[in-house]
Amino acid sequence: EAGVAQSPRYKIIEKRQSVAFWCNPISGHATLYWYQQILGQGPKLLIQFQNNGVVDDSQLPKDRFSAERLKGVDSTLKIQPAKLEDSAVYLCASSLDPAGILYEKLFFGSGTQLSVL
Amino acid sequence: AQKITQTQPGMFVQEKEAVTLDCTYDTSDQSYGLFWYKQPSSGEMIFLIYQGSYDEQNATEGRYSLNFQKARKSANLVISASQLGDSAMYFCAMREGASGGSYIPTFGRGTSLIVHP
Repeated sequence: EAGVAQSPRYKIIEKRQSVAFWCNPISGHATLYWYQQILGQGPKLLIQFQNNGVVDDSQLPKDRFSAERLKGVDSTLKIQPAKLEDSAVYLCASSLDPAGILYEKLFFGSGTQLSVL
Repeated sequence: AQKITQTQPGMFVQEKEAVTLDCTYDTSDQSYGLFWYKQPSSGEMIFLIYQGSYDEQNATEGRYSLNFQKARKSANLVISASQLGDSAMYFCAMREGASGGSYIPTFGRGTSLIVHP
């Protein structure tokens, strides 16, 4: 089966510009996550969707980050305006299990590497 | 406070030898799940193994086993018979279950494993 698809693979922008990332989860996966992974650190959750509803966005910097998952399938994450500290890999993950299951296994995409100059 | 601590930034192992990657965790929940993920240079995080807090047996998946010591709050990953393809970053993660939250998976900072021929 096809895995989690993300695009673009790399993006270089200048600070104060805007950028958008796209994610298409595995078919049938109801739960979708966006993670931010700064170099040398583990992934940090930004937002969690169950179908097209937000389950948790407590760590999303809402003054500049936004995300949507229309129709409960693919999702976009946007940063506007970008700051230098937003340089990171943005990982999308999906899960077949509903949010709230302890043993929920995540399937990750290859990520988008963002460099803000 | 760190929920997941991985104290080894880098580990080296000879091909065909066994290696242990350390992970300690902090939670006051009785119900939680522990995970290990592998992240090769391609960037895609791959699920390796899961241990539930109520599981009495240590989890095993092929060459991977999880040395779960509940009283010490440790969940070390053991890779037996290392292969060159095991060279990657390894992340320990935890999902807490009883606190009424959204069960966000929390990741450690990772350990880089290099397997020498």
